[in-house]
Amino acid sequence: KQEVTQIPAALSVPEGENLVLNCSFTDSAIYNLQWFRQDPGKGLTSLLLIQSSQREQTSGRLNASLDKSSGRSTLYIAASQPGDSATYLCAVRGDYKLSFGAGTTVTVRA
Amino acid sequence: DVKVTQSSRYLVKRTGEKVFLECVQDMDHENMFWYRQDPGLGLRLIYFSYDVKMKEKGDIPEGYSVSREKKERFSLILESASTNQTSMYLCASSLKGAGNTIYFGEGSWLTVV
Repeated sequence: KQEVTQIPAALSVPEGENLVLNCSFTDSAIYNLQWFRQDPGKGLTSLLLIQSSQREQTSGRLNASLDKSSGRSTLYIAASQPGDSATYLCAVRGDYKLSFGAGTTVTVRA
Repeated sequence: DVKVTQSSRYLVKRTGEKVFLECVQDMDHENMFWYRQDPGLGLRLIYFSYDVKMKEKGDIPEGYSVSREKKERFSLILESASTNQTSMYLCASSLKGAGNTIYFGEGSWLTVV
């Protein structure tokens, strides 16, 4: 069974600092890894999708890397802003199913 | 933009009631999913559908059923609601094939009293 772990569970940084969020998974037989953002009481917004054959993916201030053999992914958010405050979830896809981590809750202090 | 719409955002139901949660997507996606999200347990897959009238059980199907009569609509049914089904329910969809992005709706908060 796939286990997905996100460390740290919570993170508080001053505005402008770069954010580094970690995700690890136990079974490397994945199709892709997806990073999501969730605001309190809301659904999930897809941020980045990395296919298993890719090493990284970028969108604006966001960059995600994937090392499938070691079962790790990292989400970098450059120059954080208060609007980046949210919970970030990673999920790995094996066949049809997504397995989620518990998330990292980020607070960016103005 | 892909839109996954969950028609009911907040519901309060009584124990034993039959509950329908509706989800509609507008991008002609083959795959549709129902998850529930609970503090400390994360997101767990209830059911998955890969085509009209087709369904597969997820990790926690007990106490739930689903219906997919049309491609754009996927319904989650609680035959007899219980208090342990109080949760946030999230619907999602994607194109067929495991390499595609999965898109989520805004969620439905269900409280069973």
